[in-house]
Amino acid sequence: LAKTTQPISMDSYEGQEVNITCSHNNIATNDYITWYQQFPSQGPRFIIQGYKTKVTNEVASLFIPADRKSSTLSLPRVSLSDTAVYYCLVGGLNSGGYQKVTFGTGTKLQVIP
Amino acid sequence: DAGVTQSPTHLIKTRGQQVTLRCSPKSGHDTVSWYQQALGQGPQFIFQYYEEEERQRGNFPDRFSGHQFPNYSSELNVNALLLGDSALYLCASSLGGDGEAFFGQGTRLTVV
Repeated sequence: LAKTTQPISMDSYEGQEVNITCSHNNIATNDYITWYQQFPSQGPRFIIQGYKTKVTNEVASLFIPADRKSSTLSLPRVSLSDTAVYYCLVGGLNSGGYQKVTFGTGTKLQVIP
Repeated sequence: DAGVTQSPTHLIKTRGQQVTLRCSPKSGHDTVSWYQQALGQGPQFIFQYYEEEERQRGNFPDRFSGHQFPNYSSELNVNALLLGDSALYLCASSLGGDGEAFFGQGTRLTVV
């Protein structure tokens, strides 16, 4: 699976838009990009997934450039409850047809009042 | 509809003992994966079960074993516990090999 690189931590004030960028230079043709959110002592929660261009759902947007070597998770108007660790994952089905979700170290987002 | 449920939530074991953790997948899901998350680290893949068979395995020793039952629930067994096995153990379920993974709250294992 392609290795991902994210900033270790970020700070943001409440109400601001937060953009977290993930680098995945070795992404494969059939790989998807997925973002998870994790609060302390809880399991990760799926946020958004995309393959190329832009994907938007009720909580976030995901921007993927044409070369797909990076992606940006955008959280609009963050609140204190968005303080969490955000993981970028890249992967798809392996040769056996099975998917393995592999996490990196994540980005710790701290939202400040 | 209950999501992924794990038991127990917390557990304290002595070095050298054995432990069994349990996971019930989200309704309708048939695939269960287990992860180990050390403090301050991202979850590390242990193995994945489908149709009662282990079909993928991460870089974990044979002390880590598992089982999946006909109702798709799963167990993670760890033998000869080491202090380094202290972690949050997460179970994730999905439908098939490429479905979105839903995670449980985890079991916090402390080895003393």
